[in-house]
Order: sequence, then C-alpha cells, then structure tokens
Amino acid sequence: EAQVTQNPRYLITVTGKKLTVTCSQNMNHEYMSWYRQDPGLGLRQIYYSMNVEVTDKGDVPEGYKVSRKEKRNFPLILESPSPNQTSLYFCASSLGRFNQPQHFGDGTRLSIL
Amino acid sequence: EDKVVQSPLSLVVHEGDTVTLNCSYEVTNFRSLLWYKQEKKAPTFLFMLTSSGIEKKSGRLSSILDKKELFSILNITATQTGDSAVYLCAASNYGQNFVFGPGTRLSVLP
Repeated sequence: EAQVTQNPRYLITVTGKKLTVTCSQNMNHEYMSWYRQDPGLGLRQIYYSMNVEVTDKGDVPEGYKVSRKEKRNFPLILESPSPNQTSLYFCASSLGRFNQPQHFGDGTRLSIL
Repeated sequence: EDKVVQSPLSLVVHEGDTVTLNCSYEVTNFRSLLWYKQEKKAPTFLFMLTSSGIEKKSGRLSSILDKKELFSILNITATQTGDSAVYLCAASNYGQNFVFGPGTRLSVLP
C-alpha cells in the first residue's frame, strides 16, 4: 500500500531536549516536505526536498533541520525544541515534477513543555 | 509575501444544500492551485488546477480556477454528512513551494 509513515504519532517532551520525527515513503517520490499545522493558520511549509541531498527552506524553517540522505526518508530534527514548536506536523511526498499532488502522512502531534 | 486566503472560514449547512468555497491567492511565479479535504487526520487530495476556466469534476465536487482574478472555487452539490471536513486550498510556484490557506470548516447537518 502506498503510504507516508511518520513516527512518533504523539510526543510530549521538554524544552531543549533534541528530538527527531521520522518520515518514510514507499512510492519512490522525489519530492518530500514538512508542514506544521496550527489553529487558524493552516499548513505552513517548514522545509522541502526536491531529491536526495537537495533541501530548501519553506516559510517557517527557524528552529528546524532536515536531511535527505536517502530518497525514501526525510527526518525532521528539532535540535533545541521550544514551546512555540508545539504543533501538529505533517510530512508529505509527491512525484517531483510539475507540482504534483502530495500524499500526506497521518501527522505527529508534538507538545513541548 | 505569498499568501492564500479562504472564505468563509466556517460554514454550517443541511444535507442536500449546495456550497461554494472560495480561495484567493497571491503567489509569485504561480504554477498550480490544489484543493484538499482534511477530516480527522491527513489531508487528502481533491483537485489540481493549472489552467483558467477549465472545470474539474469528481462526483458531486467540482472546481475551477481564474488566473486573471487569482481565485478558485470549490463547489459541492447535494451535500452529505460525510462531506463534513476542513477544506484546504494551496497554491504552488515553480520552485515547488506550497502555500496553504487557513481552511474552510464545513459542517453538514442531517
């Protein structure tokens, strides 16, 4: 089954404790992206990647890092999380050309105390 | 700054009603306009529009894009309770950057 898998689905942690949210897709998609979703603000793009070793900042990249060492994986790293990063996070992937529709993972709800 | 605006933000209708959701955008180097439906979890894709004036249809849902006036509409006819969801509009540019609107929360009452 074609899917985008995020882990963990839920996480409660404390300020400053580094964390990684993994994202994996099995559709051989070139394009992958991370979003955060906050009430009233919709989905905001954090980082995206057009292919292996190619990443670009989205609209809200501050406080986040990503890497794309393999085509299927696109982890999101919070080196020193802060409470304002409490949010619902989505990973998405698509075929790389011509802005194809994205397939989304089920989301990761992060709470940073 | 690129932005996408949706209206209304919230809408309550009864089963059988027809609804029109609006999306306007200001995106540099605009490429495409996409609509998604979000129920409890992940957004699911509905339509992608790249050309003006060409209606896309899927069952009771249809959508059209006006690139001159920079807006799109999503129509749902004969609404059902299963249409209750948040409908998201997103605009993309040639750089593969996607900008989403805040969404329209549709509630369909029986």
